[in-house]
Amino acid sequence: GAGVSQTPSNKVTEKGKYVELRCDPISGHTALYWYRQSLGQGPEFLIYFQGTGAADDSGLPNDRFFAVRPEGSVSTLKIQRTERGDSAVYLCASSTGPSSGNTIYFGEGSWLTVV
Amino acid sequence: AQSVTQPDIHITVSEGASLELRCNYSYGATPYLFWYVQSPGQGLQLLLKYFSGDTLVQGIKGFEAEFKRSQSSFNLRKPSVHWSDAAEYFCAVGGGFKTIFGAGTRLFVKA
Repeated sequence: GAGVSQTPSNKVTEKGKYVELRCDPISGHTALYWYRQSLGQGPEFLIYFQGTGAADDSGLPNDRFFAVRPEGSVSTLKIQRTERGDSAVYLCASSTGPSSGNTIYFGEGSWLTVV
Repeated sequence: AQSVTQPDIHITVSEGASLELRCNYSYGATPYLFWYVQSPGQGLQLLLKYFSGDTLVQGIKGFEAEFKRSQSSFNLRKPSVHWSDAAEYFCAVGGGFKTIFGAGTRLFVKA
């Protein structure tokens, strides 16, 4: 597609539930990133993929968070046993490659609210 | 450690006035620098980027930024602000998987 596409744009879920957030990167972009943005903060890195593999998942806050990219294109961020502190905007981005100097392009985000 | 500092949490300017948003960075190698803008409820849009060469970089929407190595700064400027520029602005360093963002500066524009 023309840009990074994320679904759903908004999600309200109850504490303890499971959530999936989907990202479709720019066509041809091999690197895909997930960021989390809390109110009044800049984006914080969660994980990035080069192709199908998670090349760096050091930003995932705990083992309730997991992401996959099985075919090297679309990615899904999965959050188990959601907590109220997980409420944030989850931003997906992509770039032609992961190296320094590659510009990353963002989707519009998935706003997650855990009640 | 690599970091980005945006000293101003929020700034208010009058429509038509000039704007400068500050950004300071700490980065071990030659920095790749970016400015993004985020309107309410939207994702981040790239305004401009600096990789090398001319230290004054032109971007979209009439914005420019100047890289000053001696000051470790990459300030964003616009000569005349429009009401539609009201948004959050993020400075970033690194690029690719090494991209680090500042905390942002919220711009308010008054009539």
